[in-house]
Amino acid sequence: GENVEQHPSTLSVQEGDSAVIKCTYSDSASNYFPWYKQELGKRPQLIIDIRSNVGEKKDQRIAVTLNKTAKHFSLHITETQPEDSAVYFCAAEDSGGGADGLTFGKGTHLIIQP
Amino acid sequence: DTEVTQTPKHLVMGMTNKKSLKCEQHMGHRAMYWYKQKAKKPPELMFVYSYEKLSINESVPSRFSPECPNSSLLNLHLHALQPEDSALYLCASSQDRPNYGYTFGSGTRLTVV
Repeated sequence: GENVEQHPSTLSVQEGDSAVIKCTYSDSASNYFPWYKQELGKRPQLIIDIRSNVGEKKDQRIAVTLNKTAKHFSLHITETQPEDSAVYFCAAEDSGGGADGLTFGKGTHLIIQP
Repeated sequence: DTEVTQTPKHLVMGMTNKKSLKCEQHMGHRAMYWYKQKAKKPPELMFVYSYEKLSINESVPSRFSPECPNSSLLNLHLHALQPEDSALYLCASSQDRPNYGYTFGSGTRLTVV
């Protein structure tokens, strides 16, 4: 099955600086890579996703890049704000042909220092 | 309606109890999922239903029994659970094709005493 590695496990940045979280995956057949933000006690919320036919996608302060050859993808958050503090999970869709569920990375606890 | 609704939000049960978690969506999604999330860990896939049929069981113990009565509903029946089964149980749904996206419910916080 799919295996997703995520780094770093904790990331502390000053407010206004950029944050980058990196993930690698093992199954070259995977084609869908979402990123989720999870605040304490709440559900994972999709913040951005990318499909394998594109290399980069941007939504305001958030961007995701994908390198299919190297099997890695990254989340970039610019101009960080205190409300960006949360746990972020990357994921890859298991490639059974249908929607076979997601395998998640272990998560990154992002801390925005005021 | 673009939500996945889970009930109850919190559940405390004894090790000899039988209880059920419920999940409902009205987005026309034909794939539904149960995930288990322990504190400070990522969600882990338990079961996948596709067109009301169980398609994936990730080697989950038989004390967890899923059921999909129709395309909008997903249940998880619990029996003889252990304290280590305490976790957040998340339901999700999607179209039954890849690359489409998943919608998660708010979860049921389960405590086994």
